[in-house]
Amino acid sequence: DIVMTQTPLSLSVTPGQPASISCKSSQSLLHSDGKTYLYWYLQKPGQSPQLVIYEVSSRFSGVPDRFSGSGSETDFTLKVSRVEAEDVGVYYCMQGIHLPITFGQGTRLEIK
Amino acid sequence: EVHLLESGGGLVQPGGSLRLSCAASGFTFSSYAMSWVRQAPGKGLEWVSGISGSGGSTYYADSVKGRFTISRDNPKNTVYLQMNSLRAEDTAVYYCAKGAGVVPVRDWVDPWGQGTLVSVSS
Repeated sequence: DIVMTQTPLSLSVTPGQPASISCKSSQSLLHSDGKTYLYWYLQKPGQSPQLVIYEVSSRFSGVPDRFSGSGSETDFTLKVSRVEAEDVGVYYCMQGIHLPITFGQGTRLEIK
Repeated sequence: EVHLLESGGGLVQPGGSLRLSCAASGFTFSSYAMSWVRQAPGKGLEWVSGISGSGGSTYYADSVKGRFTISRDNPKNTVYLQMNSLRAEDTAVYYCAKGAGVVPVRDWVDPWGQGTLVSVSS
């Protein structure tokens, strides 16, 4: 199984300041079709997870442009350029290139 | 608007069985894979099982293989998870989630239902 490792596991950020989360996979997520199957989800308090970023860097419908994703093969980063109160929750990276689908441990983002 | 509603969770003794259901609406159900993902209390996300749009292909995590069975009834727009030989470590909120494609791999899962809690305890 592909192991997904996130750092840090928790993050406390002042509103308006940036935040960055790293995700590393134990195998390359680059498929022979040219796509890289790395996704980012946010689970807000008391809610189900929701998709934020797909295929490394594409923002999902309705996601603010302060969210961005980058990376390649095994190293990926989610950045929030200016954190807002509504961004709090747990962020998970997920690989979808091979079954079983696997998730990172999660990174809890809180507001200072 | 896509809507997923899970049901069937509850308290069950170790070794017991439970069947979860997920009723879907707002999209052409048979055209999309569906997955079950669980979250143990205070823990992270674990993919459990997936099924292709036609229902002809099913996939399982090793932790549930041989004990859980995923199925779907496309005319009823419903996906099921039959859980047998339940263990304490199966205690979790179980979410169903819509795939973005016909098979539950190389695509995202979104949206997710609100989840149903399964508690395995004597």
